[in-house]
Amino acid sequence: AQKVTQAQTEISVVEKEDVTLDCVYETRDTTYYLFWYKQPPSGELVFLIRRNSFDEQNEISGRYSWNFQKSTSSFNFTITASQVVDSAVYFCALWLPNDYKLSFGAGTTVTVRA
Amino acid sequence: EPEVTQTPSHQVTQMGQEVILRCVPISNHLYFYWYRQILGQKVEFLVSFYNNEISEKSEIFDDQFSVERPDGSNFTLKIRSTKLEDSAMYFCASSAGGPYGGEKLFFGSGTQLSVL
Repeated sequence: AQKVTQAQTEISVVEKEDVTLDCVYETRDTTYYLFWYKQPPSGELVFLIRRNSFDEQNEISGRYSWNFQKSTSSFNFTITASQVVDSAVYFCALWLPNDYKLSFGAGTTVTVRA
Repeated sequence: EPEVTQTPSHQVTQMGQEVILRCVPISNHLYFYWYRQILGQKVEFLVSFYNNEISEKSEIFDDQFSVERPDGSNFTLKIRSTKLEDSAMYFCASSAGGPYGGEKLFFGSGTQLSVL
């Protein structure tokens, strides 16, 4: 069963535009963890953020911000004032306590044009 | 920051051949994982490993696949008889804690496997 849905396949923006990536997850567990990873063209997976289900505070890290809303089962990611170096595939992922694995969404490809 | 190291970065093999993908997890980590990513697709879980045992495996991880921690530092994925559809990027990952802690997974840079 699909546990993480990233409905946007590709997003293309011009530099300095803001871009928001949607992530909707599905679980009946009350304890869970949500992640975002970045995969630049070089191919590695870079950890961006982890959020547990009990912490609904939004988080900002530089130009990155995350909006966690349990009511809508969403954990959206916004890049403010995008730069060409932000061009990558971004994956949302879910960790459930009874799973020994991280379940990834399909990813959203972000292209930032100069 | 400590890193997960994977070798080789690229592996080309003939269909039916055995391949071994190698990983050196972060030294104090206890949980190890293999994921794969077929070109342009999502990152898929293969197997998790803890205390010298498989903790969980996906339906992809059939009898052709095996994992081993042959010594205190390496973690390997073996594909016994490769198929064309095994062509993918294979990522090794490790974490300090287990499933109940939602620990951050550290990923290696991947091994691109091409089966001809």
